[in-house]
Amino acid sequence: KQEVTQIPAALSVPEGENLVLNCSFTDSAIYNLQWFRQDPGKGLTSLLLIQSSQREQTSGRLNASLDKSSGRSTLYIAASQPGDSATYLCAPPPPGRRALTFGSGTRLQVQP
Amino acid sequence: NAGVMQNPRHLVRRRGQEARLRCSPMKGHSHVYWYRQLPEEGLKFMVYLQKENIIDESGMPKERFSAEFPKEGPSILRIQQVVRGDSAAYFCASSPTGEGNYGYTFGSGTRLTVV
Repeated sequence: KQEVTQIPAALSVPEGENLVLNCSFTDSAIYNLQWFRQDPGKGLTSLLLIQSSQREQTSGRLNASLDKSSGRSTLYIAASQPGDSATYLCAPPPPGRRALTFGSGTRLQVQP
Repeated sequence: NAGVMQNPRHLVRRRGQEARLRCSPMKGHSHVYWYRQLPEEGLKFMVYLQKENIIDESGMPKERFSAEFPKEGPSILRIQQVVRGDSAAYFCASSPTGEGNYGYTFGSGTRLTVV
């Protein structure tokens, strides 16, 4: 069973800081890894999907890296803004026909 | 592409009533996953379905809960004789394959309140 751990559990920073969110997982036999954000009371929005053959993926101020062999992924957020405040979730699909398993996420608060 | 559509967005039921939650996957997606999120908690997997088949229902309570994904129409999550503890947000996700290699798309959820 895939176990996902995200560190830190919560983070509060002033606007403009560069951030690092960490994700570790136990089963490294994955096709890819997907990062999501969830705003309070809302659904999940996909941010980045990194294929196992890639080492990183970028979208705007977001950059995600994947080290499959060590079971780790990192999400970098550059020049954080109050609108980045949300819970961030990483989800490595387990091998085979199985559903995503989520960790508890990192709750981010960016202060204006 | 309208994405994953869930309805209703909000549902209020009295204890003992039935709740039916609907999920229409993205066009071209034949794999559907249901998750439940209790207040202030993480997402918990409930059931994974492919058209006309239940692939994995290991996360779904054995009693009162059922799910289907017919050949035609949306996937339905059905909760019979609802209790206050069923109050939660229920999310549906879809993918084009069951292998996760193309990622997953989530709907906006149905928020069930049992009074």
